[in-house]
Amino acid sequence: DGGITQSPKYLFRKEGQNVTLSCEQNLNHDAMYWYRQDPGQGLRLIYYSQIVNDFQKGDIAEGYSVSREKKESFPLTVTSAQKNPTAFYLCASRDRGSHGYTFGSGTRLTVV
Amino acid sequence: AQSVTQPDIHITVSEGASLELRCNYSYGATPYLFWYVQSPGQGLQLLLKYFSGDTLVQGIKGFEAEFKRSQSSFNLRKPSVHWSDAAEYFCAVGASEYGNKLVFGAGTILRVKS
Repeated sequence: DGGITQSPKYLFRKEGQNVTLSCEQNLNHDAMYWYRQDPGQGLRLIYYSQIVNDFQKGDIAEGYSVSREKKESFPLTVTSAQKNPTAFYLCASRDRGSHGYTFGSGTRLTVV
Repeated sequence: AQSVTQPDIHITVSEGASLELRCNYSYGATPYLFWYVQSPGQGLQLLLKYFSGDTLVQGIKGFEAEFKRSQSSFNLRKPSVHWSDAAEYFCAVGASEYGNKLVFGAGTILRVKS
Protein backbone atom coordinates (compact mmCIF):
# COMPACT_ATOMS: atom_id res chain seq x y z
CA ASP A 1 0.00 0.00 0.00
CA GLY A 2 1.16 3.51 -0.71
CA GLY A 3 1.91 5.84 2.09
CA ILE A 4 4.40 7.87 4.03
CA THR A 5 6.88 6.26 6.40
CA GLN A 6 8.55 8.22 9.15
CA SER A 7 11.34 6.72 11.16
CA PRO A 8 12.18 6.29 13.89
CA LYS A 9 8.94 6.63 15.86
CA TYR A 10 10.84 7.74 18.98
CA LEU A 11 14.21 9.48 19.03
CA PHE A 12 16.35 10.67 21.88
CA ARG A 13 19.11 13.17 21.42
CA LYS A 14 21.72 14.66 23.69
CA GLU A 15 22.05 18.40 23.76
CA GLY A 16 24.52 19.67 21.18
CA GLN A 17 23.99 16.79 18.76
CA ASN A 18 22.47 16.91 15.32
CA VAL A 19 19.85 14.31 14.48
CA THR A 20 18.13 13.37 11.22
CA LEU A 21 14.51 12.33 10.90
CA SER A 22 13.57 10.18 7.93
CA CYS A 23 10.52 10.64 5.71
CA GLU A 24 9.89 8.37 2.71
CA GLN A 25 6.82 8.25 0.48
CA ASN A 26 5.83 5.85 -2.29
CA LEU A 27 2.83 7.85 -3.43
CA ASN A 28 4.71 9.53 -6.27
CA HIS A 29 3.76 12.89 -4.77
CA ASP A 30 5.64 15.98 -5.90
CA ALA A 31 5.43 18.12 -2.77
CA MET A 32 6.59 17.24 0.72
CA TYR A 33 6.33 19.09 4.02
CA TRP A 34 7.70 19.02 7.54
CA TYR A 35 5.63 20.24 10.45
CA ARG A 36 6.40 20.54 14.12
CA GLN A 37 3.63 19.93 16.65
CA ASP A 38 3.64 21.24 20.22
CA PRO A 39 0.72 20.94 22.64
CA GLY A 40 -1.79 23.74 22.19
CA GLN A 41 -0.01 25.22 19.17
CA GLY A 42 -1.26 23.09 16.33
CA LEU A 43 1.15 22.32 13.52
CA ARG A 44 3.79 24.79 12.38
CA LEU A 45 5.53 24.52 9.03
CA ILE A 46 9.31 24.02 9.13
CA TYR A 47 10.28 23.39 5.50
CA TYR A 48 8.60 22.31 2.31
CA SER A 49 9.64 21.14 -1.12
CA GLN A 50 7.56 21.39 -4.28
CA ILE A 51 9.99 19.52 -6.53
CA VAL A 52 13.24 17.58 -6.34
CA ASN A 53 16.36 19.63 -5.55
CA ASP A 54 14.30 22.59 -4.38
CA PHE A 55 12.92 23.53 -0.97
CA GLN A 56 11.73 26.60 0.90
CA LYS A 57 11.69 27.73 4.49
CA GLY A 58 8.46 27.63 6.39
CA ASP A 59 7.50 29.66 9.43
CA ILE A 60 9.98 28.13 11.91
CA ALA A 61 13.00 27.01 9.84
CA GLU A 62 15.73 28.25 12.21
CA GLY A 63 17.79 25.37 13.58
CA TYR A 64 16.58 22.92 10.95
CA SER A 65 17.85 21.81 7.55
CA VAL A 66 16.46 19.58 4.78
CA SER A 67 17.42 18.04 1.48
CA ARG A 68 15.37 16.74 -1.45
CA GLU A 69 17.69 14.68 -3.60
CA LYS A 70 15.03 12.13 -4.51
CA LYS A 71 11.31 12.52 -5.07
CA GLU A 72 10.58 9.85 -2.48
CA SER A 73 12.69 11.21 0.36
CA PHE A 74 12.69 14.43 2.39
CA PRO A 75 14.88 14.04 5.50
CA LEU A 76 14.87 16.68 8.22
CA THR A 77 17.97 17.44 10.28
CA VAL A 78 17.49 19.02 13.68
CA THR A 79 20.71 20.85 14.41
CA SER A 80 22.26 21.89 17.69
CA ALA A 81 21.18 25.44 16.84
CA GLN A 82 17.54 24.53 17.47
CA LYS A 83 16.99 25.80 21.03
CA ASN A 84 13.95 23.74 21.92
CA PRO A 85 13.84 20.66 19.70
CA THR A 86 11.70 18.40 21.86
CA ALA A 87 8.48 17.98 19.89
CA PHE A 88 6.42 15.73 17.66
CA TYR A 89 7.46 16.00 14.00
CA LEU A 90 5.10 15.22 11.15
CA CYS A 91 5.95 14.73 7.50
CA ALA A 92 3.33 15.11 4.76
CA SER A 93 3.11 14.91 1.01
CA ARG A 94 0.77 16.28 -1.64
CA ASP A 95 0.10 15.24 -5.19
CA ARG A 96 0.30 17.83 -7.98
CA GLY A 97 -3.19 19.17 -8.58
CA SER A 98 -4.42 18.10 -5.17
CA HIS A 99 -4.77 20.38 -2.20
CA GLY A 100 -5.00 17.88 0.64
CA TYR A 101 -2.05 16.33 2.39
CA THR A 102 -1.23 12.75 3.34
CA PHE A 103 0.55 12.52 6.68
CA GLY A 104 3.05 10.11 8.13
CA SER A 105 2.64 8.75 11.65
CA GLY A 106 5.21 11.10 13.14
CA THR A 107 8.48 11.04 15.06
CA ARG A 108 8.67 12.09 18.69
CA LEU A 109 12.03 13.71 19.42
CA THR A 110 13.18 14.16 22.99
CA VAL A 111 16.34 15.98 24.00
CA VAL A 112 17.93 14.47 27.08
CA ALA B 1 -1.58 35.37 4.73
CA GLN B 2 -4.05 32.78 5.86
CA SER B 3 -4.82 32.10 9.50
CA VAL B 4 -7.11 29.73 11.36
CA THR B 5 -8.77 30.04 14.76
CA GLN B 6 -10.28 27.19 16.70
CA PRO B 7 -11.82 28.92 19.71
CA ASP B 8 -12.36 25.80 21.80
CA ILE B 9 -9.31 24.07 23.23
CA HIS B 10 -11.32 21.29 24.87
CA ILE B 11 -14.87 20.08 24.37
CA THR B 12 -16.63 17.35 26.31
CA VAL B 13 -19.81 15.74 25.03
CA SER B 14 -21.84 12.75 26.09
CA GLU B 15 -21.90 9.69 23.90
CA GLY B 16 -24.85 9.95 21.53
CA ALA B 17 -25.05 13.73 21.75
CA SER B 18 -24.48 16.02 18.81
CA LEU B 19 -21.18 17.77 18.22
CA GLU B 20 -20.07 21.02 16.65
CA LEU B 21 -16.44 22.11 16.50
CA ARG B 22 -15.83 25.69 15.47
CA CYS B 23 -13.33 26.96 12.94
CA ASN B 24 -12.85 30.51 11.68
CA TYR B 25 -10.36 31.42 8.98
CA SER B 26 -8.85 34.57 7.62
CA TYR B 27 -8.23 34.80 3.92
CA GLY B 28 -9.29 37.26 1.22
CA ALA B 29 -10.63 34.85 -1.36
CA THR B 30 -12.21 31.41 -1.14
CA PRO B 31 -9.67 29.13 0.46
CA TYR B 32 -9.32 25.41 0.51
CA LEU B 33 -10.57 24.17 3.88
CA PHE B 34 -9.89 20.91 5.67
CA TRP B 35 -10.68 19.06 8.86
CA TYR B 36 -8.20 16.49 10.16
CA VAL B 37 -8.38 14.17 13.16
CA GLN B 38 -5.45 12.93 15.22
CA SER B 39 -5.35 10.11 17.76
CA PRO B 40 -2.62 10.38 20.43
CA GLY B 41 0.85 9.76 19.04
CA GLN B 42 -0.41 9.32 15.50
CA GLY B 43 -0.42 11.26 12.27
CA LEU B 44 -3.36 13.24 10.93
CA GLN B 45 -6.24 11.67 9.03
CA LEU B 46 -8.31 13.72 6.61
CA LEU B 47 -11.99 13.88 7.59
CA LEU B 48 -13.27 16.15 4.84
CA LYS B 49 -12.36 19.03 2.57
CA TYR B 50 -13.97 21.98 0.80
CA PHE B 51 -12.69 23.48 -2.41
CA SER B 52 -15.77 24.89 -4.12
CA GLY B 53 -19.40 24.11 -4.92
CA ASP B 54 -21.86 22.79 -2.37
CA THR B 55 -21.12 24.48 0.93
CA LEU B 56 -22.15 21.44 2.96
CA VAL B 57 -19.56 18.70 2.63
CA GLN B 58 -19.73 15.16 3.85
CA GLY B 59 -16.75 13.31 5.21
CA ILE B 60 -15.76 10.03 6.72
CA LYS B 61 -17.00 8.62 10.01
CA GLY B 62 -20.31 10.47 9.74
CA PHE B 63 -18.83 13.97 9.94
CA GLU B 64 -19.95 16.96 7.91
CA ALA B 65 -18.90 20.59 7.70
CA GLU B 66 -20.51 23.73 6.36
CA PHE B 67 -18.65 26.56 4.67
CA LYS B 68 -20.13 29.96 5.48
CA ARG B 69 -18.39 32.70 3.57
CA SER B 70 -20.22 35.51 5.37
CA GLN B 71 -18.96 34.26 8.71
CA SER B 72 -15.56 33.00 7.50
CA SER B 73 -16.37 29.74 9.20
CA PHE B 74 -16.07 26.05 8.47
CA ASN B 75 -17.60 24.28 11.46
CA LEU B 76 -17.47 20.51 11.84
CA ARG B 77 -20.57 18.62 12.97
CA LYS B 78 -21.67 15.14 13.83
CA PRO B 79 -25.24 14.28 14.86
CA SER B 80 -24.35 11.50 17.30
CA VAL B 81 -20.91 11.12 18.85
CA HIS B 82 -19.35 7.75 19.57
CA TRP B 83 -16.72 7.08 22.22
CA SER B 84 -14.23 6.30 19.43
CA ASP B 85 -14.51 9.92 18.22
CA ALA B 86 -12.43 11.09 21.19
CA ALA B 87 -9.35 12.65 19.59
CA GLU B 88 -7.88 16.00 18.62
CA TYR B 89 -9.38 17.80 15.65
CA PHE B 90 -7.59 20.30 13.46
CA CYS B 91 -9.00 22.76 10.98
CA ALA B 92 -6.67 23.87 8.20
CA VAL B 93 -6.72 26.39 5.37
CA GLY B 94 -4.72 26.43 2.16
CA ALA B 95 -4.51 28.52 -0.97
CA SER B 96 -2.85 28.11 -4.34
CA GLU B 97 -1.27 31.53 -4.18
CA TYR B 98 0.59 30.47 -1.06
CA GLY B 99 1.95 27.33 -2.68
CA ASN B 100 -0.80 25.18 -1.22
CA LYS B 101 0.85 25.35 2.18
CA LEU B 102 -1.62 24.41 4.86
CA VAL B 103 -2.01 26.59 7.92
CA PHE B 104 -3.46 24.77 10.91
CA GLY B 105 -5.51 25.87 13.86
CA ALA B 106 -4.34 25.06 17.39
CA GLY B 107 -6.69 22.09 17.57
CA THR B 108 -9.69 21.08 19.68
CA ILE B 109 -9.47 18.10 21.99
CA LEU B 110 -12.73 16.17 22.09
CA ARG B 111 -13.58 14.12 25.13
CA VAL B 112 -16.55 11.77 25.07
CA LYS B 113 -18.20 10.75 28.32
CA SER B 114 -20.33 7.66 28.63
